[in-house]
Amino acid sequence: GENVEQHPSTLSVQEGDSAVIKCTYSDSASNYFPWYKQELGKRPQLIIDIRSNVGEKKDQRIAVTLNKTAKHFSLHITETQPEDSAVYFCAASKTGTYKYIFGTGTRLKVLA
Amino acid sequence: DTEVTQTPKHLVMGMTNKKSLKCEQHMGHRAMYWYKQKAKKPPELMFVYSYEKLSINESVPSRFSPECPNSSLLNLHLHALQPEDSALYLCASSLGLANDEQFFGPGTRLTVL
Repeated sequence: GENVEQHPSTLSVQEGDSAVIKCTYSDSASNYFPWYKQELGKRPQLIIDIRSNVGEKKDQRIAVTLNKTAKHFSLHITETQPEDSAVYFCAASKTGTYKYIFGTGTRLKVLA
Repeated sequence: DTEVTQTPKHLVMGMTNKKSLKCEQHMGHRAMYWYKQKAKKPPELMFVYSYEKLSINESVPSRFSPECPNSSLLNLHLHALQPEDSALYLCASSLGLANDEQFFGPGTRLTVL
């Protein structure tokens, strides 16, 4: 069935360093890829997304890249700050469906 | 109003109780969702309403009963739940077309005793 693999499951970085989280999807028809940040006890918040007609999207310190051929997409956070500490979920979706296929999540810890 | 709201924030219920979770949005979104989230896991889709009609039921047990009274409101009626149903229940909404951005509410933390 449809599947999204997400790595790593945990990631610790020093404040100011960069963090990269990678996801691989199985359904080649997937064409929408959102990223959510979920702080402890809070709602998942959409932080960035990308559609399959572009290869990269950037918003300040956050960027997402998409490689359709390899079926993987990545979240890049530069100049990490303690408030970036959270669980990050990737997801994949396709035209005609309301369903997201979520990755298993990455717990990011930014050490001050 | 640019948020999805949910009530109550916390709910403790016995296995014989009947309770309801409520979700509201005033962003003009026409698709609304119920998710269940266990600790350290991604959200798990339960139901989708599109233009007030049930579009997706992910084989959810009948002890969970969704209702969409109008385009702004979504309820989840609970009856005869089991302790394993304890979880964070998240509501989300999106513009209306499939494959749109989904925006989540803060969730209801449910404990079944």
